[in-house]
Amino acid sequence: ETGVTQSPTHLIKTRGQQVTLRCSSQSGHNTVSWYQQALGQGPQFIFQYYREEENGRGNFPPRFSGLQFPNYSSELNVNALELDDSALYLCASSLTSGGVYNEQFFGPGTRLTVL
Amino acid sequence: AQSVTQLDSQVPVFEEAPVELRCNYSSSVSVYLFWYVQYPNQGLQLLLKYLSGSTLVKGINGFEAEFNKSQTSFHLRKPSVHISDTAEYFCAVILNSGYSTLTFGKGTMLLVSP
Repeated sequence: ETGVTQSPTHLIKTRGQQVTLRCSSQSGHNTVSWYQQALGQGPQFIFQYYREEENGRGNFPPRFSGLQFPNYSSELNVNALELDDSALYLCASSLTSGGVYNEQFFGPGTRLTVL
Repeated sequence: AQSVTQLDSQVPVFEEAPVELRCNYSSSVSVYLFWYVQYPNQGLQLLLKYLSGSTLVKGINGFEAEFNKSQTSFHLRKPSVHISDTAEYFCAVILNSGYSTLTFGKGTMLLVSP
């Protein structure tokens, strides 16, 4: 069974640029959640995708957007990068099956640095 | 909305000593509770979870936690730590009804020295 993978591992961008981060969910999972973890902080929920639709969103501006593909992999796009966007971006996959709680399995993250 | 407070940003401890990492939460409705561990340059790994039943929960690597509803706490304990337990530990909650997402605390860095 393949776990959650993310690419790239590290990324350096400059202010104003755009970035795309990628996540492959664990086999059999249909839901992907994205989190931002700033230095010294806990992860903060960005949004969640279920069956290719956004299924919930945290307190992040619209320049943070996402996609989920038919194979349940996902992308996180950030436009007009700001210095404060520098963080570890975590992807987590889960199987939504009707219960309230569906365990999330995390990938290793993508470290984004904005200069 | 729910929130999580981890009272200690850093906990230094000697190898083979016991340790307790504190977590308090705030929520107007019932929650599920979790502890995750993050090793350097890695993602999050679930240590243990409380969904229902016994308030004492045992997890991986010898860790356990006790849910205390009256004190809204979910402290993590280990009777004897190893150097390899050095990592960041995050407490998290999710509402146990309706749509909800994980809310994390700011983390506690456990530093185990010989």
